[in-house]
Amino acid sequence: NAGVTQTPKFQVLKTGQSMTLQCAQDMNHEYMSWYRQDPGMGLRLIHYSVGAGITDQGEVPNGYNVSRSTTEDFPLRLLSAAPSQTSVYFCASRTDSYNEQFFGPGTRLTVL
Amino acid sequence: KNEVEQSPQNLTAQEGEFITINCSYSVGISALHWLQQHPGGGIVSLFMLSSGKKKHGRLIATINIQEKHSSLHITASHPRDSAVYICAVDGWSGGGADGLTFGKGTHLIIQP
Repeated sequence: NAGVTQTPKFQVLKTGQSMTLQCAQDMNHEYMSWYRQDPGMGLRLIHYSVGAGITDQGEVPNGYNVSRSTTEDFPLRLLSAAPSQTSVYFCASRTDSYNEQFFGPGTRLTVL
Repeated sequence: KNEVEQSPQNLTAQEGEFITINCSYSVGISALHWLQQHPGGGIVSLFMLSSGKKKHGRLIATINIQEKHSSLHITASHPRDSAVYICAVDGWSGGGADGLTFGKGTHLIIQP
């Protein structure tokens, strides 16, 4: 199993550009989440999904969209990038809320 | 919203020392996770526990539900244990909400 994969590993955007961070898992997990990690803030939940076709907002959803058309994929879209979205983004998955989470390797995003 | 506090924020110790990292939270939980993140690296789940104690190699995690407190211990510490250790809690999701609430992490350095 590849586990949780994320692409790209690094990305630099200009303010106003849009892009999609990809996340995929091959463990048939129903639950998938996106987090951002900022210095001094810890990890914060952006959006999550409890199954294909079901998504909901987390703590910091503004400026991001998600969709879940398949169990495997959970892309995160930045609609119009802002410098405040400079961060490291982690995707994670698990079978349900009673089991451990598996994290992807992260995407380091810089918005100029 | 659950408040998760970790202590200490930073810890430097000598190889071989016994290490303790603490985590306290404000609201009852269904489970607590200990995670490890090496510099520039991904996040790995070490333990998930809802009661008592778990041991894996030189790592021991304990939780006291009544006191809303958990500890992570490392015995015979080694420089390869140098990492950020993150405590995270699962709330009582009820309606199926997912996503952990994270502490800000403890930065551990083990010197040879």
